[in-house]
Amino acid sequence: AQKITQTQPGMFVQEKEAVTLDCTYDTSDPSYGLFWYKQPSSGEMIFLIYQGSYDQQNATEGRYSLNFQKARKSANLVISASQLGDSAMYFCAGGGYQKVTFGIGTKLQVIP
Amino acid sequence: DAGVIQSPRHEVTEMGQEVTLRCKPISGHNSLFWYRQTMMRGLELLIYFNNNVPIDDSGMPEDRFSAKMPNASFSTLKIQPSEPRDSAVYFCASSFSENQPQHFGDGTRLSIL
Repeated sequence: AQKITQTQPGMFVQEKEAVTLDCTYDTSDPSYGLFWYKQPSSGEMIFLIYQGSYDQQNATEGRYSLNFQKARKSANLVISASQLGDSAMYFCAGGGYQKVTFGIGTKLQVIP
Repeated sequence: DAGVIQSPRHEVTEMGQEVTLRCKPISGHNSLFWYRQTMMRGLELLIYFNNNVPIDDSGMPEDRFSAKMPNASFSTLKIQPSEPRDSAVYFCASSFSENQPQHFGDGTRLSIL
């Protein structure tokens, strides 16, 4: 199974600034996917963005982009122009031929 | 399009009672996952199904927990008998396949008194 590591328990960012949330992974599967989820204080898990291991370009979804560096086994989430509503827990997850595994999450707080 | 539907949203019951959580996955999704989330242990995968067949139940904590998926549009997670340490938020998620993005339901907040 894949191992996902998120080393930032908490992050602060000023409103309108960009922020990068770190994620590294470890897998022996040749084909895999990496995902990011947002969990606001209301509790729901919201799928944000997906990167396939064979995708040539980094994934982008609106203000979210995934900085995928295969050689470094990193899949960092970049949020541009942070908004107060971005304050939440963010989970990195990955899956290859076996089940998806989740990191422990990073709590992001956006400061006005 | 309807997302993953879980019921009930909240459940409060006394220890020793049977608890049944329900999930309707997104139509066309072949994989279904049950997770438990607590402050202490984070998000834990309990069990997942592919094409209605249980593939990995290694995360099921004890024999008191059981899960079924009788058809492609319905799954249950049952706890019998329930204990206070089972209190958590239980999520159901579905995806096209086990390594594709999962879409989560709103969760069931379970409190065992």
